[in-house]
Amino acid sequence: QSILTQPPSVSAAPGQKVTISCSGSTSNIGNNHVSWFQQLPGTAPKLLIYENSERPSGIPDRFSGSKSGTSATLGISGLQTGDEADYYCGTWDSSLSAGVFGTGTKVTVL
Amino acid sequence: EVQLVQSGAEVKKPGESLKISCKDSGNRFTRSWIGWVRQMPGKGLEWMGIIYPGDSDTRYSPSFQGQVTISADKSISAAYLQWNSLKVSDTAMYYCATISGPYPGDPFNLWGQGTLVTVSS
Repeated sequence: QSILTQPPSVSAAPGQKVTISCSGSTSNIGNNHVSWFQQLPGTAPKLLIYENSERPSGIPDRFSGSKSGTSATLGISGLQTGDEADYYCGTWDSSLSAGVFGTGTKVTVL
Repeated sequence: EVQLVQSGAEVKKPGESLKISCKDSGNRFTRSWIGWVRQMPGKGLEWMGIIYPGDSDTRYSPSFQGQVTISADKSISAAYLQWNSLKVSDTAMYYCATISGPYPGDPFNLWGQGTLVTVSS
């Protein structure tokens, strides 16, 4: 099972903002960069955020990331129906010497 | 456009062996880590392991160490995920993905389309 904990689901109306938390420990989030991935239904994951808060080319600034201590947060503002997806955090775990993903959060647009 | 193209879906019986592939159409294959991610039906993403084709340095998640083998053939820019004896619990979608930076801890930035492996008697 994953050692990065996310809420199973979050929801909001179109145009609103949601935040997704990712809780870890000093061996992972506390000492390594965090990434966020979006997985639309039936598709492969896509990188949304890297190095805690950086967006790859083509990712709108409605998506934002932050990190504090052993937790990270993904924010999605101006929520759209096309944002309905599963979202995963990810980082390196220095104790495991391996990457780890969060438990995943399903975003629903009401 | 750089792509990762994975081999097609597989249906196998328990105890059989299997090797699935991932071909990189870009020109950075020997200078990028490439890895595998498992997604069991209705479940989340699991980091399995990565390989650096330039020198075959391979890292496994403890959960998958000894259960699978990751390899690469840099002459054809292909990475592989192999099982010697499949179990029903290996039924899952498997994604390959390349890492964006020079370190194994950097994120996966380019993903393949996935290979569905079904193991059933």
